[in-house]
Amino acid sequence: GQQLNQSPQSMFIQEGEDVSMNCTSSSIFNTWLWYKQEPGEGPVLLIALYKAGELTSNGRLTAQFGITRKDSFLNISASIPSDVGIYFCAGQGSYSGAGSYQLTFGKGTKLSVIP
Amino acid sequence: KAGVTQTPRYLIKTRGQQVTLSCSPISGHRSVSWYQQTPGQGLQFLFEYFSETQRNKGNFPGRFSGRQFSNSRSEMNVSTLELGDSALYLCASSLELAGYGYTFGSGTRLTVV
Repeated sequence: GQQLNQSPQSMFIQEGEDVSMNCTSSSIFNTWLWYKQEPGEGPVLLIALYKAGELTSNGRLTAQFGITRKDSFLNISASIPSDVGIYFCAGQGSYSGAGSYQLTFGKGTKLSVIP
Repeated sequence: KAGVTQTPRYLIKTRGQQVTLSCSPISGHRSVSWYQQTPGQGLQFLFEYFSETQRNKGNFPGRFSGRQFSNSRSEMNVSTLELGDSALYLCASSLELAGYGYTFGSGTRLTVV
């Protein structure tokens, strides 16, 4: 089946530092989504990207939809303690597989922020 | 407005039993999807319902089933539980199919002993 390779798996950073994580796929997606999940909760949508090359910001978060439609990255600037959590990328609407509306998730990047 | 509500939050079942999980989507949302989350496999798609019809199904055995009611509420059922079914089961709703702007519930933590 389709797989998304998300890296890094985990990160320990100092408060105030910038963070970068990315996802790559062997399949093309129509939409890339970035979610954050905190303990005991479901994933919360952070940013949605709908066009190849699109660069979108949400506060301190910036994400880009790769030109090839097979990758995306998420940057967090000036990290703060409440950024702690697991960040997931998700692709939707792959041309190469059946079930074009389901989300295919990466394995997540666990972010720890040291005050 | 109320978010996606999943009940129960926690559940402990014995191998061989069956279980039913419930999901109430955001008011007005017609699409409901279910995902299984485990440490090893991550988030995996189970199925999606829209207007009481299953529109898409993931690669899970037939022990996993679901349905959607006319008020868009959805249930999923797992029969003959196995230890490997222990997971966080997440429900997500969206206005239409294609799931743009999926909103997830907090999940049901199922433990099979």
